[in-house]
Amino acid sequence: GAVVSQHPSRVICKSGTSVKIECRSLDFQATTMFWYRQFPKQSLMLMATSNEGSKATYEQGVEKDKFLINHASLTLSTLTVTSAHPEDSSFYICSAKEGPMGEQYFGPGTRLTVT
Amino acid sequence: DAKTTQPTSMDCAEGRAANLPCNHSTISGNEYVYWYRQIHSQGPQYIIHGLKNNETNEMASLIITEDRKSSTLILPHATLRDTAVYYCIVRDKVGGGSEKLVFGKGTKLTVNP
Repeated sequence: GAVVSQHPSRVICKSGTSVKIECRSLDFQATTMFWYRQFPKQSLMLMATSNEGSKATYEQGVEKDKFLINHASLTLSTLTVTSAHPEDSSFYICSAKEGPMGEQYFGPGTRLTVT
Repeated sequence: DAKTTQPTSMDCAEGRAANLPCNHSTISGNEYVYWYRQIHSQGPQYIIHGLKNNETNEMASLIITEDRKSSTLILPHATLRDTAVYYCIVRDKVGGGSEKLVFGKGTKLTVNP
């Protein structure tokens, strides 16, 4: 299957700082990418959907000014957690969709710890 | 909300077939059944999907009932590496908001030696 990478795989930051997570589709072009968050022992929760070159669509309850998403190219989307707080500590996972009828492939995830 | 229900957990002996059930009684005619799995602390991995007919690939088989209200994922010879949470998801393959994957709680499959 298609390969999606994330960087970094884990990050620790201080409360109040911002953290950027990258999601790349390595061998295909992804017009649509998705960002999920997963708390311990819970399922994945969709945060937002981003289409290349347009604004992201956020799920209800997700603050768009806190979780900035940029999908500037067909192979790269970034999620920036601004003014991070300990409650933002979570496993962030992206997925990329291969074409309008394609399947979604997931990245390996980024473990964020805010101290 | 997830449109599927799955057992919370299942156990299987190594080398035996693992049969994971999923109920999706409200599935609509153009919705596909997808299966993903998530090994601990990794991103979900696509397994298989189907619409009406049974499907098989190198990882698993998917059996969908004739009324499409339930399905079963079959891992023919489970190994210890198949221990994971298995998610059954229904989604429309056409673009737009329906392309979202909504994850339920899944089934925690434990393969025992």
